[in-house]
Amino acid sequence: NAGVMQNPRHLVRRRGQEARLRCSPMKGHSHVYWYRQLPEEGLKFMVYLQKENIIDESGMPKERFSAEFPKEGPSILRIQQVVRGDSAAYFCASSPGSWGEKLFFGSGTQLSVL
Amino acid sequence: DQQVKQNSPSLSVQEGRISILNCDYTNSMFDYFLWYKKYPAEGPTFLISISSIKDKNEDGRFTVFLNKSAKHLSLHIVPSQPGDSAVYFCAASARGYDMRFGAGTRLTVKP
Repeated sequence: NAGVMQNPRHLVRRRGQEARLRCSPMKGHSHVYWYRQLPEEGLKFMVYLQKENIIDESGMPKERFSAEFPKEGPSILRIQQVVRGDSAAYFCASSPGSWGEKLFFGSGTQLSVL
Repeated sequence: DQQVKQNSPSLSVQEGRISILNCDYTNSMFDYFLWYKKYPAEGPTFLISISSIKDKNEDGRFTVFLNKSAKHLSLHIVPSQPGDSAVYFCAASARGYDMRFGAGTRLTVKP
């Protein structure tokens, strides 16, 4: 039974390019969360999604960042026109429900912007 | 705003001794607290949790203590083992999601 799958593990982009990070939740989980970890910092909540719905995006930067979790397929975190400050580890987590549930994390995508 | 704080970036203990990791929070609405463990190049994995109706939860060598009046929780690992060496994140949530994480404490257990 696969856990939370994230790909790619490493992504290198040049400034101004687009980055697409994918996350497949654990089987049976319909709640997906994205977190970002900057060097030497903790995990910062970005967005919480259920299938086809964004529940809370209060942690997402207002520009260039978007997330979706379509009815079919993985959740996508999209960063347009990347800048060096976007370099970080991006973790996806899933849970079967939203109330009092612990999160199961993927191994993360390390984004490096040159 | 940092609602969950882990003020010790690192901790080093001898194998067999107790490790105590601390965490403070500011949001009195938090009602669920968790500890995650993270190895390099891996995602965090759940370790132990406690709800606000309890003040202690134990699971094997790991015990979490919650002091609501002080808005403080701690993780005790007894006895510590070299395999416990990792970064430990404290997390808290209200409403069940929007889980807030601390900056982490790097634990090193020396043989």
